[in-house]
Amino acid sequence: AQSVTQLDSQVPVFEEAPVELRCNYSSSVSVYLFWYVQYPNQGLQLLLKYLSGSTLVKGINGFEAEFNKSQTSFHLRKPSVHISDTAEYFCAAVSYNTDKLIFGTGTRLQVFP
Amino acid sequence: GAGVSQSPSNKVTEKGKDVELRCDPISGHTALYWYRQSLGQGLEFLIYFQGNSAPDKSGLPSDRFSAERTGGSVSTLTIQRTQQEDSAVYLCASSLVWQNTGELFFGEGSRLTVL
Repeated sequence: AQSVTQLDSQVPVFEEAPVELRCNYSSSVSVYLFWYVQYPNQGLQLLLKYLSGSTLVKGINGFEAEFNKSQTSFHLRKPSVHISDTAEYFCAAVSYNTDKLIFGTGTRLQVFP
Repeated sequence: GAGVSQSPSNKVTEKGKDVELRCDPISGHTALYWYRQSLGQGLEFLIYFQGNSAPDKSGLPSDRFSAERTGGSVSTLTIQRTQQEDSAVYLCASSLVWQNTGELFFGEGSRLTVL
């Protein structure tokens, strides 16, 4: 069965510090991977996605993620966060042989001044 | 409209009553999805439509839940005889293409509270 695990439910960080949000997936087949962001009182929006090719993918707002097949991970990183990055971040995966996008439980990133 | 529209944005109901939640996807998007977001539970897949047909209904929690889509556009999620554990935010999303590689566009959700 396919599953997505986000190890941290909350990540507090000071402004301009680097941040990493962790995501691991479990699947018996190859997957496509996504990060979505949900700002307060807004719908989810796509941050970035990995389909194939380069394992380092860049998204909006300076975020990037690296696909690591051997570790089945897709961690999200940003070298310097802003207050406006405060939001809930969701990792998601879909297997090649299904049409069901599975989400993790989310990580709340709280950026402090 | 420009984005996915959901109504009502908030619904408070009494246990045992039926509720209907509506989703109006982005014009031209053939795929439509319903998810449920509960505190600490992340997003739970409910059902997916390709056009008017639902290839995968496996996520519906019980037979009290049903969904339909007409005209390849608007979808309605119906919950019969609501229970307190149905309280959650119900999210609708649409996509232009097969969701494996396509981007999902989400509405702001319908918050359901069952008293």
